[in-house]
Amino acid sequence: DIQMTQSPSSLSASVGDRVTITCRASQGIRNYLAWFQQTPGKAPKSLIYAASTLQSGVPSKFSGSGSGTDFTLTISNLQPADFATYYCQQYYNFPWTFGQGTKVEIK
Amino acid sequence: QVQLQESGPGLVKPSETLSLTCTVSGGSINNYYWSWIRQPPGNRLEWIGFVYYTGSTNLNPSLKSRVGMSVDTSKNQFSLRLSSVTAADTAVYYCARATGPKWDLPYFDFWGQGSLVTVSS
Repeated sequence: DIQMTQSPSSLSASVGDRVTITCRASQGIRNYLAWFQQTPGKAPKSLIYAASTLQSGVPSKFSGSGSGTDFTLTISNLQPADFATYYCQQYYNFPWTFGQGTKVEIK
Repeated sequence: QVQLQESGPGLVKPSETLSLTCTVSGGSINNYYWSWIRQPPGNRLEWIGFVYYTGSTNLNPSLKSRVGMSVDTSKNQFSLRLSSVTAADTAVYYCARATGPKWDLPYFDFWGQGSLVTVSS
C-alpha cells in the first residue's frame, strides 16, 4: 500500500494568515492526489483533485501543487470557517489511502 | 446538488454482520463509482472499496474477505455488508461518490455525513 504522510499534524494560525500543509507519498503517484476538509460532525468536503484542480464551488483561496511524491495545500486569508482538519488522499493505486490529517486551529 | 445519506443500525454485536445503505439524491447513480470509507475513533480515514453502477467492485484487500457491496439503480442506493465484525470495526462509516473521465482515474467529489457504527455486545 502507498503510505501518505502529512505534516504538520496540527498547526495554530490566526484569521487572515496563510498556511501550507505538506503531504508526502511513499512512492510516486504522479498527480493523482486529492485534498479534503473535515469539520466535526460534518461530511468531508472535497477541495482539490489531480493535485491542483479545484472542485466546483471551492474558492480560489485554496490551492494545491506538487507531483510525484511531494504535494502541498495552501490556504490563504484564513477565515473562521477554514479551521478544520485537512486530509490528503492518493488514488493512483489500489487500495486508495489517506494521510493522517492536519488540524488547523485558531491561535 | 448531489446528496448522500447513510442509514443502518448504530449498534452491531460482535461476530455479526454490519449492513449500511447509502441513498443518493439530486443525481443519478449511473456512470459513477460509489465508495465506502470508514474512520475509527482517533484514526485516519480508511478506504473500504467501491462499487461501480454496473455492480462490479474493487475492495481493499485488508477487508476483502469480509466485505460485500452492491448497488440498486432502481432505488438510487448502494450498500455495504461487513461480516464477522469485532470492536476494531467500530467507526464512522462514510459513503462517497467518485467520478472522472473514462480515460482517467476517478476521484471523490461528494460525501455523506457519516454514520457511527459501534460494535459491542
